[in-house]
This record gives sequence, C-alpha cells and structure tokens, in this order.
Amino acid sequence: LAKTTQPISMDSYEGQEVNITCSHNNIATNDYITWYQQFPSQGPRFIIQGYKTKVTNEVASLFIPADRKSSTLSLPRVSLSDTAVYYCLVGDSSASKIIFGSGTRLSIRP
Amino acid sequence: KAGVTQTPRYLIKTRGQQVTLSCSPISGHRSVSWYQQTPGQGLQFLFEYFSETQRNKGNFPGRFSGRQFSNSRSEMNVSTLELGDSALYLCASSTDSGKNIQYFGAGTRLSVL
Repeated sequence: LAKTTQPISMDSYEGQEVNITCSHNNIATNDYITWYQQFPSQGPRFIIQGYKTKVTNEVASLFIPADRKSSTLSLPRVSLSDTAVYYCLVGDSSASKIIFGSGTRLSIRP
Repeated sequence: KAGVTQTPRYLIKTRGQQVTLSCSPISGHRSVSWYQQTPGQGLQFLFEYFSETQRNKGNFPGRFSGRQFSNSRSEMNVSTLELGDSALYLCASSTDSGKNIQYFGAGTRLSVL
C-alpha cells in the first residue's frame, strides 16, 4: 500500500492560491490519487482524482508529475470557507486499500 | 439524488452497552464502508460490505461487526462498549466502478460514558 506524506498544517489568506503537496514514493501502477476535504464533525468530501498529468474541475486542480511520486492539490483564490483538513489518498479500485493519513490542516485568514 | 444518510446523528451510551448504527448509501451504490474517526487515531477503516458480503476488514476487535442488506443499506454494531469507542463513525458508499470515489455521510457521533 502506498503511504502518503503531507504537511501537517498550512496557513494562507483569502484570495490567495494554495498548493498542498503530497508525497507517495511507493505508488503502484494501478493506483489513483484522490483528495478529500473534511470540515469539523462532517464526513470527508471528494474533491478531485487523477492518475497522471493535470486534472481540473470547478473546485481545484491536481498536478501529477511524470514519475507520479508526488501530487499537488491547487486551490485557486481561497476563502474562509476553505478552512478544513485535506487528505491525499493513493490506492486502486479496492475499497479496503483506502487508508487516510493525518491530512493537512489548512487555515485561511481574512 | 440523496446523499449517504446515517442515523442517528448523536448517541450517548454507557460502558458495557451495545449500539447499532445505520447507513443508507446513495441509490445505486453497492459498496458501503465504515470508518472510525478519533482525534488521536484519525480516520481508521473498519470494514467494507459489497452485495451483502463483508469484503474487507480493518484492524478492529470482534466487538465491531456489521452487515449489509439486499437494498445495500448497512448497519454496524459495537458490543460491550468501552470509553475508547467514543468517536465519529462514518459511513461511505461507492459505485465500485473502479476508481473508488467514496461519498461519506455526516457521521454518527457516539459518546460512551
């Protein structure tokens, strides 16, 4: 199982772009990279998923280099409501292989 | 489309009691997973059910059990509750389509006194 390493916490200001990097040196060929967002006392919410290169949706972008040993979640123009814990997960289609790490606690200031 | 529904949202029990939590997945989702979240241990995988069968299990004692019904609804049971079982219990469903994107409910907050 590919283990992930993320910064424990990050701070930023409203309107800034935030980039959270996740390391996954042992990622397997069949593994996808998935990011979730969690607010206090709520379940995690799916943000974005990718396999290689770049993926963009209405919420975020995910950048994955060619070696796939890391990935970067990019949140454009953050607001106070983006304050949350962000989890990077790596795994294949089997639900049993989903392991949540400690996540990155993102704090956005006015 | 309705999301994942967990009931009850809050529960208070005493040590030694047992508890049953319920989860209704998103319509059409056949895979249901359960997680325990505590401040100290983070999000930990309990087990996953697919088509009424437990497909995978995490490292939790046998006091934690679950089942899935033919309509994909799932229940988890914790017997002989301990203080350390106080946690947010989360249920997630997925389509099992291959990319395994999980959709979580709001959770059940269990407090054991």
